[in-house]
Amino acid sequence: GAGVSQSPRYKVAKRGQDVALRCDPISGHVSLFWYQQALGQGPEFLTYFQNEAQLDKSGLPSDRFFAERPEGSVSTLKIQRTQQEDSAVYLCASSRGRTQETQYFGPGTRLLVL
Amino acid sequence: GNSVTQMEGPVTLSEEAFLTINCTYTATGYPSLFWYVQYPGEGLQLLLKATKADDKGSNKGFEATYRKETTSFHLEKGSVQVSDSAVYFCALSHNQGGKLIFGQGTELSVKP
Repeated sequence: GAGVSQSPRYKVAKRGQDVALRCDPISGHVSLFWYQQALGQGPEFLTYFQNEAQLDKSGLPSDRFFAERPEGSVSTLKIQRTQQEDSAVYLCASSRGRTQETQYFGPGTRLLVL
Repeated sequence: GNSVTQMEGPVTLSEEAFLTINCTYTATGYPSLFWYVQYPGEGLQLLLKATKADDKGSNKGFEATYRKETTSFHLEKGSVQVSDSAVYFCALSHNQGGKLIFGQGTELSVKP
């Protein structure tokens, strides 16, 4: 595809449910990033993949958050036992190379936990 | 740690006014600096970037200069248009992995 795509665009979950958010990066992009953006705030880093390797997961807020990219392309961010404070927009970005290259963002998934 | 601070919004200007959005950063070493823009209903887009001190990034009439002595990367435009209404984010990244650290964003509203 021409850009980064994410699905679903909107997700409403009841507290305690598990959710899975999908990211399709630009074809051939080596690096993939997940960010969390709370309402009225800037995005905050969650985790980073280089191909299928998860090189940095320092931003994941708890062990309920898990991300994978098993074949080095599509990535899934999973949140287990969702809490109200998980409500946010989850952004995925990809870049061609390994360091400091331009990141291209998807439209985001807006998650609302009731 | 590394951080980015932006001037608070919202900023409201009349069309053709001069725009400055202040951005300062705290970082070790020599980060790359970015301005991203988020138009209503759209995703984040890179507006401009600078990778070393004294570099000037420019795009669509916007400019920002990487000032290491003042740790700043202020965004400027000489004459704003209604279509520039958006939220603007200043960000930095380091060599190590390239993750972006964002400021809190500044909402700009341009009135005709």
